[in-house]
Amino acid sequence: EVQVVESGGGLVQPGGSLRVSCAAYGFTVSANYMTWVRQAPGKGLQWVSVIYSDGSTYYADSVKGRFTISRDNSKNTVYLQMNTLRTEDTAVYYCARGPKTTAGNSLDPWGQGTLVTVSS
Amino acid sequence: DIVMTQSPDSLAVSLGERATINCKSSQSVLYSSDNKNYLAWYQQKTGESPKLLIYWASTRESGVPDRFSGSGSGTDFTLTISSLQAEDVAVYHCQQYYTTPPTFGQGTRLEIK
Repeated sequence: EVQVVESGGGLVQPGGSLRVSCAAYGFTVSANYMTWVRQAPGKGLQWVSVIYSDGSTYYADSVKGRFTISRDNSKNTVYLQMNTLRTEDTAVYYCARGPKTTAGNSLDPWGQGTLVTVSS
Repeated sequence: DIVMTQSPDSLAVSLGERATINCKSSQSVLYSSDNKNYLAWYQQKTGESPKLLIYWASTRESGVPDRFSGSGSGTDFTLTISSLQAEDVAVYHCQQYYTTPPTFGQGTRLEIK
């Protein structure tokens, strides 16, 4: 079964750091594009970052310079390193395969999400 | 960035009736080289992650019931549920991936009347 599973969320103080992980099953992350999307409590979906199969990376302006997306091919896992966290980064962070170029650049599947809370 | 605006914000429809959700983009998401609209729809049930329903504006993802359909082109799109079922209660999101960054609508909450 094709799926992704996030982990690593938690409570962190403003200015702190956290790394969330996304383990993939049923497909190879290095051969796919992988995306992080977040959803603040009661809010809509916000794209955060993408890593392409060639290793190139892109970020939302709101996280550029603070967040880093990477992958470990041996573990078939994608990471999001989050530094200098702000209260406004509080959200459920979802990992998804995509954009899928064979399906309109859509995102599928999505993981169950991991909650990151930035608070003192 | 392309701004995606959904209407209405919430909607209550009786079981078996038609539900229609609209999505408007601030610029066209129709890619001229392949004549495809880079617009997707996702369903998010309470406490769950989003699930892909439709891509290229009108192509149903495998396994999605045929009561779900998408239409539209350029800047105006519609998600239609032809006969609402209880399990369709959810928030529906549209998303464009014509350009980076991809952007989402604010979501439409669908409930049973």
